Amino acid sequence: ETGVTQTPRHLVMGMTNKKSLKCEQHLGHNAMYWYKQSAKKPLELMFVYNFKEQTENNSVPSRFSPECPNSSHLFLHLHTLQPEDSALYLCASSPVASGGHNEQFFGPGTRLTVL
Amino acid sequence: QQQVKQSPQSLIVQKGGIPIINCAYENTAFDYFPWYQQFPGKGPALLIAIRPDVSEKKEGRFTISFNKSAKQFSLHIMDSQPGDSATYFCAASNKRGSTLGRLYFGRGTQLTVWP
Repeated sequence: ETGVTQTPRHLVMGMTNKKSLKCEQHLGHNAMYWYKQSAKKPLELMFVYNFKEQTENNSVPSRFSPECPNSSHLFLHLHTLQPEDSALYLCASSPVASGGHNEQFFGPGTRLTVL
Repeated sequence: QQQVKQSPQSLIVQKGGIPIINCAYENTAFDYFPWYQQFPGKGPALLIAIRPDVSEKKEGRFTISFNKSAKQFSLHIMDSQPGDSATYFCAASNKRGSTLGRLYFGRGTQLTVWP
């Protein structure tokens, strides 16, 4: 499999559930990102991992917990979510070059619905 | 505060028309301006990008026009086709920012090209 893959593609969960989103990249990149995409809003950067280290947490509520065990895998653990957290969650990766701009490659996203 | 403002929100053109999508920014430190294209059920994919040292960049039927003094840039699609129907996002980044290649996205423009 190539590119950036995300599972599951669709997820419906209750507010008391615990679930996890998974992202895997097959591009040999060292930076991975979680974004939230809501209708009629800009893509919101949530977390950035660079060489498995978290380099940015964009004021994301603690009910979202990321995990990056290696440069190819990224997880987003979800617990006690709110209905307003329903959105498309996108994972992206990019190569790392010091001070440079890198194209970000996005996965297809997980469509999350919180009931 | 939204870093990149994009308009229009939606755009409908006939096949062969030239849709134009506009973006404006305030942060003069931005030095990389990509456009992403997103089809339903897919993640965004890089379409074309420009740096502020040039005023225009063309790749196939897609052209970015950049006006540094006005802090505006736009995407033109020549001879548009029904297959171009998608959501288009402009973005901007600053390589000297705290996060390598962090992208600030516009809200997106939903383009429909009628046959």
